[in-house]
Amino acid sequence: GAGVSQTPSNKVTEKGKYVELRCDPISGHTALYWYRQSLGQGPEFLIYFQGTGAADDSGLPNDRFFAVRPEGSVSTLKIQRTERGDSAVYLCASSLREYNEQFFGPGTRLTVL
Amino acid sequence: RKEVEQDPGPFNVPEGATVAFNCTYSNSASQSFFWYRQDCRKEPKLLMSVYSSGNEDGRFTAQLNRASQYISLLIRDSKLSDSATYLCVVNKAAGNKLTFGGGTRVLVKP
Repeated sequence: GAGVSQTPSNKVTEKGKYVELRCDPISGHTALYWYRQSLGQGPEFLIYFQGTGAADDSGLPNDRFFAVRPEGSVSTLKIQRTERGDSAVYLCASSLREYNEQFFGPGTRLTVL
Repeated sequence: RKEVEQDPGPFNVPEGATVAFNCTYSNSASQSFFWYRQDCRKEPKLLMSVYSSGNEDGRFTAQLNRASQYISLLIRDSKLSDSATYLCVVNKAAGNKLTFGGGTRVLVKP
């Protein structure tokens, strides 16, 4: 079956611009997670959703970052006033339920010039 | 101090040899432990969970030492296809927020 998909695969933007990154989880998976991976480091947790609600957003670095999952399926990570330090690969994962194995998407590589 | 620490490597391993490496974690409340594999410019994929009694999956053996707060991974009879970055991952009891180490790079050479 189809895995987690993320669009776009690459995004280049200028400092100060707004970006949206999309994640389509595996069909039927109720939990969805966002992570960020900088070069040479492991992924860092940003936020996770159980259904439509954000169960834990403690990893969001500041109020420029926001994520939604309005219908409990697709999620969008939104970054306002992008900064060069936001450049990273943004990974989305989903699991059937909380505590089940997380399956990762291929990521969106964000470059802020 | 990072919550999960790993030797970044690289570990250069002759094909057919055995390689082992550890990671340490700082939060004694951690409940679940995993090794993920990540190929260059690809997403992480679960390699195996790590249980207190130790567990084996083919050529891979994982061990957990709660007292010393470290996890190990051993790869026997290394294959060229084992070349990857191995990420040590822990999960606290509350929620399903995975905490990753920085990864250990393994290069298996002919």
